[in-house]
This record gives sequence, C-alpha cells and structure tokens, in this order.
Amino acid sequence: TQLLEQSPQFLSIQEGENLTVYCNSSSVFSSLQWYRQEPGEGPVLLVTVVTGGEVKKLKRLTFQFGDARKDSSLHITAAQPGDTGLYLCAGAPVGTGGFKTIFGAGTRLFVKA
Amino acid sequence: GAVVSQHPSWVICKSGTSVKIECRSLDFQATTMFWYRQFPKQSLMLMATSNEGSKATYEQGVEKDKFLINHASLTLSTLTVTSAHPEDSSFYICSARDGRAGGQGNSPLHFGNGTRLTVT
Repeated sequence: TQLLEQSPQFLSIQEGENLTVYCNSSSVFSSLQWYRQEPGEGPVLLVTVVTGGEVKKLKRLTFQFGDARKDSSLHITAAQPGDTGLYLCAGAPVGTGGFKTIFGAGTRLFVKA
Repeated sequence: GAVVSQHPSWVICKSGTSVKIECRSLDFQATTMFWYRQFPKQSLMLMATSNEGSKATYEQGVEKDKFLINHASLTLSTLTVTSAHPEDSSFYICSARDGRAGGQGNSPLHFGNGTRLTVT
C-alpha cells in the first residue's frame, strides 16, 4: 500500500511561532504538492516540488523535497492567524503511471492571536 | 490559471431522492477528472476517476450504482448520488489536471470548491 504519512495531524500554536509539517512515504514520488484547505472550500495549491533536495519559498512558507523524493516538509515562520487551515501533502507515486494522486491525512493548523 | 467550477456548493435533499453535482473545467480541457469525498476534519478520499467518453474507474468499496459518474465532454463531469440516504451526507469535491501541463503526476490537481450534501 502506498501511503503518505503526514504529521502532526493537529497543531495549535500562538501567533509568531514557527512550525514544521512533515510528509513521509516509503514510495518515491516524481513530485509532491502541498495544498491548503479552508472549511467549506476545495484545496488550493500552494506549491509543487519536483527535484530531490529542492527548496521553494512562498513568503513565510518554506517547502523542501527530500533528496530521495520520498518525503517533504513545510515550514512556516512567524505563523499568523490567517495561516489557520488544513494543510495537505499529495503526490502520484512513481510506478503508478504518474496518474493517481494520493493524499496525506492532513495537518489541521490553528494559529491563535 | 486553471479553474475548476463545481455546482451546487450545497444541497439539502430528502432521503430516497437523487442529487446531481457538476464539475466543469473553465479554461482548460480535462480528459480525466477525479471525485473525492471528505468527512469532517479528515483528508480527501478518492471515490472514482472520471474518464471522458468512457466508463469511470471506481475505488474499492465505492458503489458504482450508487454514485453514477458521467463525463460526456472534455470540460464537464457529473456525479449523481442515487437514492440518497443520511449516511451519504458529506462534502464532495472534484478535481482535474490541466492537460496543457502534461496531464500527468507532475501536474498539480485543481479543485472545485466542493459540494456540501445533506440528506434528511
């Protein structure tokens, strides 16, 4: 079974704190995506990482793809209440034809003012 | 950017009736669309893959006669929940890959805004 294990599943922090969300698998991925979802809406794409070891930055968010392309992390610096939401990692494992995307269980982030 | 429109955004229906949900790719063609179900505070669960011009591919445990999928054009897929029951109440989300970006795993999924179904 190909799984994406995401941790932590829930995180409640104070405004200004830093946090990291992890996404791990035993499978190799051609790319991984990170999405953010707010209640009652569909997920919105934040970033796609493609190259092993790649680091991408999106304002206060830093995304990293593992060298072996089996894991990824999302780091948020100085979190703000507006960062509250469900963060999902997703990807299509190599060997599946790059077709079917699987999702991590999600990390529900709550940033308190 | 690629836009996926889903309609309706919410629907309330009586037990035993059927409900149709539409998913449209507005500015790109999608030979394949995906339908997900999401329970409160949980991640997305893939229900089926909708293929333009052919039968949908259902995930294990998803009743194909219960959740009818039709993908009649390159920009429209529909999911019909037949003879709905309260346990079918959920958040249903569709997605598609922009074929202009290759359409494969490196291409991100673009999601509709979801449909909240409540069956009374």
